Amino acid sequence: DAGITQSPRYKITETGRQVTLMCHQTWSHSYMFWYRQDLGHGLRLIYYSAAADITDKGEVPDGYVVSRSKTENFPLTLESATRSQTSVYFCATGGGTGREAFFGQGTRLTVV
Amino acid sequence: QQQVKQSPQSLIVQKGGISIINCAYENTAFDYFPWYQQFPGKGPALLIAIRPDVSEKKEGRFTISFNKSAKQFSLHIMDSQPGDSATYFCAASMNNAGNMLTFGGGTRLMVKP
Repeated sequence: DAGITQSPRYKITETGRQVTLMCHQTWSHSYMFWYRQDLGHGLRLIYYSAAADITDKGEVPDGYVVSRSKTENFPLTLESATRSQTSVYFCATGGGTGREAFFGQGTRLTVV
Repeated sequence: QQQVKQSPQSLIVQKGGISIINCAYENTAFDYFPWYQQFPGKGPALLIAIRPDVSEKKEGRFTISFNKSAKQFSLHIMDSQPGDSATYFCAASMNNAGNMLTFGGGTRLMVKP
């Protein structure tokens, strides 16, 4: 049981290209989140979803698009990648029996 | 606007010493304060958490101290070990926001043998 899986683990893309980061969970948790981690900023929330077909902006949503057609998947798309979007991206789930959020292994994205 | 401020950014402690990391928050609606531990190449994982109705919570060598009036909370790692070397994040969340977390900036802890 993998729990939460992110793919790819590493990605290098060029400025202006569209790139999609995938997140899949096996727990059926209602909430899913996308965070980005940058040195000195900790983890900042990009988008979150309370349930299938319900998404909302977080702290740093500009340049990102999300969708959630199925409870288990929550892809994050960078429509036109910029160098400032070079970061480590973490998907997380929540909404189980407690207040804990569970994180994936992360995707390291480099935009050149 | 950073709602959760964490200090220090980095910390070096000798094996057996006490590691102390501090956080301060602004939003009084926060009602859940977890600490996450992150090892290189891994995602953050919950270490310990506290709610504002208690002033202290201890789990093994890890203790959270909580000061509601000052809007501050801290993590103490007793008898620090090299295996504790990691990045630590404090966070806060509100009951009506699911499990959405607001994180501090993180503290990179190194425990020297």
